[in-house]
Amino acid sequence: NAGVTQTPKFQVLKTGQSMTLQCAQDMNHEYMSWYRQDPGMGLRLIHYSVGAGITDQGEVPNGYNVSRSTTEDFPLRLLSAAPSQTSVYFCASRQGPTYEQYFGPGTRLTVT
Amino acid sequence: DAKTTQPNSMESNEEEPVHLPCNHSTISGTDYIHWYRQLPSQGPEYVIHGLTSNVNNRMASLAIAEDRKSSTLILHRATLRDAAVYYCILIRWGGGSEKLVFGKGTKLTVNP
Repeated sequence: NAGVTQTPKFQVLKTGQSMTLQCAQDMNHEYMSWYRQDPGMGLRLIHYSVGAGITDQGEVPNGYNVSRSTTEDFPLRLLSAAPSQTSVYFCASRQGPTYEQYFGPGTRLTVT
Repeated sequence: DAKTTQPNSMESNEEEPVHLPCNHSTISGTDYIHWYRQLPSQGPEYVIHGLTSNVNNRMASLAIAEDRKSSTLILHRATLRDAAVYYCILIRWGGGSEKLVFGKGTKLTVNP
C-alpha cells in the first residue's frame, strides 16, 4: 500500500493563478480531509468528505474547492491564488469516524 | 466537538520517560481520546487512542483518568526521534466526528 500520496511536493504560484493539489489513497477509506498548516500553527481543516460525492466545509474553506468523484481521490482546487494561501497542505484519510487518520507527506505552496 | 488543553511545550532528556498531559474536562461518554504526533517537515502520524482503559502499543502508553477528564501520553524512554509536536484530540462515536480539529499541540524537545 502506498497509503496517502500527494502531488506536487512543492509549488510556486503567482497571485491570481489557479491550480489543483492532488491527493489519493489506496486504503479504501471513506473519510478524507484537507488541512493547511502555517508556520508555528496547528492544522486547520479546509474541507472534508465522508464518502464519494459528499463534501463539506471545514474551518477555513474560502478560496478552495473540492470534489470527491471516487473513493480514492480528493483533489483540492485553488481558484485564484493569493499570498495568504502560502502554506503547507496536508491530505488525510481514515476508515471511519473514530479510526486513526493517515496523513500524506504534504505540499509546500508559495504564492508570490 | 469537546475541547482539549495541552501545554505549549515540554522538555525531556534522552532515555528518560516523558509524560505529556491533556485536559478534556468536557469529554462525553462516547468520546475517544486520540494522540497524534508531527515530526519536523512531516505530516502528522497516529500514535495511540483509547476510550476508558489504559492502552499500550509499540510506540507509547495512554493513561486515562478514572473520570476521563484528563489523559497522559507516556513515552517510556524518549529518543531524539521523539522530538515532535504532540496533538491530543477527541473523536465522538455516533456522529459529529466528521471534522477533526487539531489545536497547537505540545512541542516536545528531547535533550541528548
